[in-house]
Amino acid sequence: GAGVSQSPRYKVAKRGQDVALRCDPISGHVSLFWYQQALGQGPEFLTYFQNEAQLDKSGLPSDRFFAERPEGSVSTLKIQRTQQEDSAVYLCASSLDPSGNTGELFFGEGSRLTVL
Amino acid sequence: KNQVEQSPQSLIILEGKNCTLQCNYTVSPFSNLRWYKQDTGRGPVSLTIMTFSENTKSNGRYTATLDADTKQSSLHITASQLSDSASYICVVSVHSGGGADGLTFGKGTHLIIQP
Repeated sequence: GAGVSQSPRYKVAKRGQDVALRCDPISGHVSLFWYQQALGQGPEFLTYFQNEAQLDKSGLPSDRFFAERPEGSVSTLKIQRTQQEDSAVYLCASSLDPSGNTGELFFGEGSRLTVL
Repeated sequence: KNQVEQSPQSLIILEGKNCTLQCNYTVSPFSNLRWYKQDTGRGPVSLTIMTFSENTKSNGRYTATLDADTKQSSLHITASQLSDSASYICVVSVHSGGGADGLTFGKGTHLIIQP
């Protein structure tokens, strides 16, 4: 596609439910990032893939968070047993640059998760 | 620890006026500095990317400056328009590696343009 696509754009979950957020990066982009953004704050790093390899998952806040990119393109961020503090916007970004440091980084529109 | 500090936290100006947003960083080894515009409910969109050797870069009414010696950057918006209302995020990247340490994000400046 023309840009990074995320779905769903909005998700309301009851506390304890599992959710899955999808990111479809720009075709051919090597690196893929997931960020969590609280209201009025900058994005906070969650995890990073280079193709299908998850090279850094140090930002995942707990073992309830899991991300995968099995074929090196589409990625899914899964949150198990959601809690209210998980409410945030989850941003996905991709880049041609394998590290994401030097090349242009393109963001999706985000998935806004609200946990009741 | 790598840090990016932005000021002011929020700013309100009248349509047509100019404004300048500031970004100070302590990131090493420096690779590049980026400014993003994030409209409410949307993802960040890149405005400029500047490397060590560039000290000014323009994108329409947006002009970014970089002083690598003092580790400061500014984003100047000329003749502001209502559509400039957004958060502006400064991001600094390092030369090597990726992931958590590759990019350091500021918290953003929330700009409101009033008619």
